Amino acid sequence: GAVVSQHPSRVICKSGTSVKIECRSLDFQATTMFWYRQFPKQSLMLMATSNEGSKATYEQGVEKDKFLINHASLTLSTLTVTSAHPEDSSFYICSGGGQGDTQYFGPGTRLTVL
Amino acid sequence: QQQVKQSPQSLIVQKGGISIINCAYENTAFDYFPWYQQFPGKGPALLIAIRPDVSEKKEGRFTISFNKSAKQFSLHIMDSQPGDSATYFCAASYSGGYQKVTFGIGTKLQVIP
Repeated sequence: GAVVSQHPSRVICKSGTSVKIECRSLDFQATTMFWYRQFPKQSLMLMATSNEGSKATYEQGVEKDKFLINHASLTLSTLTVTSAHPEDSSFYICSGGGQGDTQYFGPGTRLTVL
Repeated sequence: QQQVKQSPQSLIVQKGGISIINCAYENTAFDYFPWYQQFPGKGPALLIAIRPDVSEKKEGRFTISFNKSAKQFSLHIMDSQPGDSATYFCAASYSGGYQKVTFGIGTKLQVIP
């Protein structure tokens, strides 16, 4: 299957700072990638669709000014959590799949905001 | 609105037993149904997937049964092993590439020796 990487795997930051998470497709090109958020013992909830060369599409209730998404190339999408607060602490996961039906998920990034 | 309903939320099975997880969907436009396995602190990994034109698909100890008319599908894990202990998510999406995945709530499986 396709491989998706994320960096960093975990990050701890102070309240009010911004954090950038990278998502890379290692062996395929992805014009579209997806960002999910997962709280402990809960399912994955789609936050936004990242489109290469254009603006991201956000799900209802997700603040686009807080969660900035940039899809700079066919293999890289970034999620920046701006002015992070403790309630933003979560597990962030990206996915990509190229032209196939299956979405492959990254290993996730654990964000802890103090 | 929960588009993919999954049960049970937790399951304890003895080693060697059969683990069964059930899911139901509402949107008949979904035409691709993957199952993902997730270990703590890791991203979901594709386990097995099925399309609605097939009633059953088997890969090793894992089998998906699909009932299109009832809009239900299930995962059977035969000869369950302690290493199978993980959270399992059923999901639904559209085929054709670049499609988001809608997940069930997840089932935490514990296989005890």
